Amino acid sequence: SQQGEEDPQALSIQEGENATMNCSYKTSINNLQWYRQNSGRGLVHLILIRSNEREKHSGRLRVTLDTSKKSSSLLITASRAADTASYFCATDDNSGGSNYKLTFGKGTLLTVNP
Amino acid sequence: DAGVTQSPTHLIKTRGQQVTLRCSPKSGHDTVSWYQQALGQGPQFIFQYYEEEERQRGNFPDRFSGHQFPNYSSELNVNALLLGDSALYLCASSYGTGLVQPQHFGDGTRLSIL
Repeated sequence: SQQGEEDPQALSIQEGENATMNCSYKTSINNLQWYRQNSGRGLVHLILIRSNEREKHSGRLRVTLDTSKKSSSLLITASRAADTASYFCATDDNSGGSNYKLTFGKGTLLTVNP
Repeated sequence: DAGVTQSPTHLIKTRGQQVTLRCSPKSGHDTVSWYQQALGQGPQFIFQYYEEEERQRGNFPDRFSGHQFPNYSSELNVNALLLGDSALYLCASSYGTGLVQPQHFGDGTRLSIL
């Protein structure tokens, strides 16, 4: 089953604009991660934010986490054509004891037009 | 430093056949997870191997089985293939136990069932 749900499902912007993607999840978590997937390729880890953190930055990426609302957002600033990809949030579920798996959402397809 | 490698890259099988997919983890990693990604969906966790044992399993039938070797490489076996098994199969590696760590993914094996 999918725990995370990304919103929007698809986003098309111009180069230089900012892109914001949102993720909602259902259970309590230890951390939330964002991944990028270029067409036909594997996923690439972008950033991990722990449940006791509210905001994290990495280069042009900014991630926020609101555990009270069970939601996260990923902001990509000054987007480039090379940012065109699908973006997924992934969570672990710590409500039932030891958990070693990630549960992914369906993803947001970001298209950055030159 | 080699990343996660998977073989083969593409595979075509017919219903009822059996298939074996292979994965070599990133150097220094000892944990391997397998995911199934249907077209337009996020990855779904199949199982994880650590110290040559299946540590956790997702909601997949017993037709899906795996193995981890002493060198940490892993195989995914699927028996009695169904049309619905057509998907991209992703292998991910990480190091150690505890909280879910960032996963390093291979580029996957694209399995098509005719």
